[in-house]
Amino acid sequence: GAGVSQSPRYKVAKRGQDVALRCDPISGHVSLFWYQQALGQGPEFLTYFQNEAQLDKSGLPSDRFFAERPEGSVSTLKIQRTQQEDSAVYLCASSLVPTQETQYFGPGTRLLVL
Amino acid sequence: QKEVEQNSGPLSVPEGAIASLNCTYSDRGSQSFFWYRQYSGKSPELIMSIYSNGDKEDGRFTAQLNKASQYVSLLIRDSQPSDSATYLCAVRNRGSTLGRLYFGRGTQLTVWP
Repeated sequence: GAGVSQSPRYKVAKRGQDVALRCDPISGHVSLFWYQQALGQGPEFLTYFQNEAQLDKSGLPSDRFFAERPEGSVSTLKIQRTQQEDSAVYLCASSLVPTQETQYFGPGTRLLVL
Repeated sequence: QKEVEQNSGPLSVPEGAIASLNCTYSDRGSQSFFWYRQYSGKSPELIMSIYSNGDKEDGRFTAQLNKASQYVSLLIRDSQPSDSATYLCAVRNRGSTLGRLYFGRGTQLTVWP
């Protein structure tokens, strides 16, 4: 079956540009997470959705980061006025229900800000 | 102090040996513990989860949890070159009812033939 998909897989942006990263979770999965993984580091939590509700955005590093999941399926992570320190892999993960332990990760979007 | 600490390695073992990966965590009330494998340029893949003290075995993998010492480990028996990857320890804390995971920075394992 289809897993979590993300697009684009790679994105190069000039500093100051806005970018939008897309996540298609596994069909029917209620929970959706965004993580940021810098080179040589583990993933760091950014935000969490339960259906269309954003229940936790405590990990978003600044107000330049915004995420949405308007219909409870596809999610978009938007970064405004990108900075070099935003360069990282952005991972999306989903799980069937909020209490399910297994989070399935997508392939990630590798963002490079020049 | 980070929530989750791992020996960053790199760890290098010969084929057939036992690889031992270690992780400590800071929140004594943590409830759920996970080991993910991440191949270079790929996404994390769950290989083991453990929730209670003791050992949990799955094929060549054994996860060990000691809540009193706030320590979790992963043993890989009969290591194979295909096991070469970064292993991420992840923890779900007591207050994290929404599923947020805290990851260590990972331990890079190389298994040489």
